Amino acid sequence: GQNIDQPTEMTATEGAIVQINCTYQTSGFNGLFWYQQHAGEAPTFLSYNVLDGLEEKGRFSSFLSRSKGYSYLLLKELQMKDSASYLCAVMDSNYQLIWGAGTKLIIKP
Amino acid sequence: GAVVSQHPSWVICKSGTSVKIECRSLDFQATTMFWYRQFPKQSLMLMATSNEGSKATYEQGVEKDKFLINHASLTLSTLTVTSAHPEDSSFYICSARDMGGGATDTQYFGPGTRLTVL
Repeated sequence: GQNIDQPTEMTATEGAIVQINCTYQTSGFNGLFWYQQHAGEAPTFLSYNVLDGLEEKGRFSSFLSRSKGYSYLLLKELQMKDSASYLCAVMDSNYQLIWGAGTKLIIKP
Repeated sequence: GAVVSQHPSWVICKSGTSVKIECRSLDFQATTMFWYRQFPKQSLMLMATSNEGSKATYEQGVEKDKFLINHASLTLSTLTVTSAHPEDSSFYICSARDMGGGATDTQYFGPGTRLTVL
């Protein structure tokens, strides 16, 4: 079956760095997405990886290793507004998005 | 980035009535749109995939006669919840796939519609 695993909840301190991991097992692979979702709102797109390596976009970076079925989202210089759920999703061979359950990130002052 | 709008943003209705939710891609054409449902503190659940000009593809367990989807144009898809009941109360979110030639093939989400059925 298809499976996306990510931690349920993480806590970090304002100004620090946090890494949210995602492992996946899917039928085919056409890219991995990270989305941010604040409580009560729809998800917003953060990043897309289809090739191995690190993609940097401001304070956020995303890494992919296809051979390991592994990705992480790295958030630097954490701000209180970064408190949200972070969703990992993989596009399978049918171009369907398979969603992880999301990681709730709590930022403390 | 690409913008997707949804209307209404929230709706309260009586049990047994029907509710229509619109999803529009404002600055790009979307041959494919997706409808999701999200219950509190749970992950997104794909309900159906909507392709312009053809019938929607529903996920297992989703009643196609209850959740009517129409994707009449490249920028508009509608979801109608027919004969709504309290258990249909949820957050309904649409997304549209930007097929504008980029390699990303990213889905962009509407802001969601919160449905409460009394």
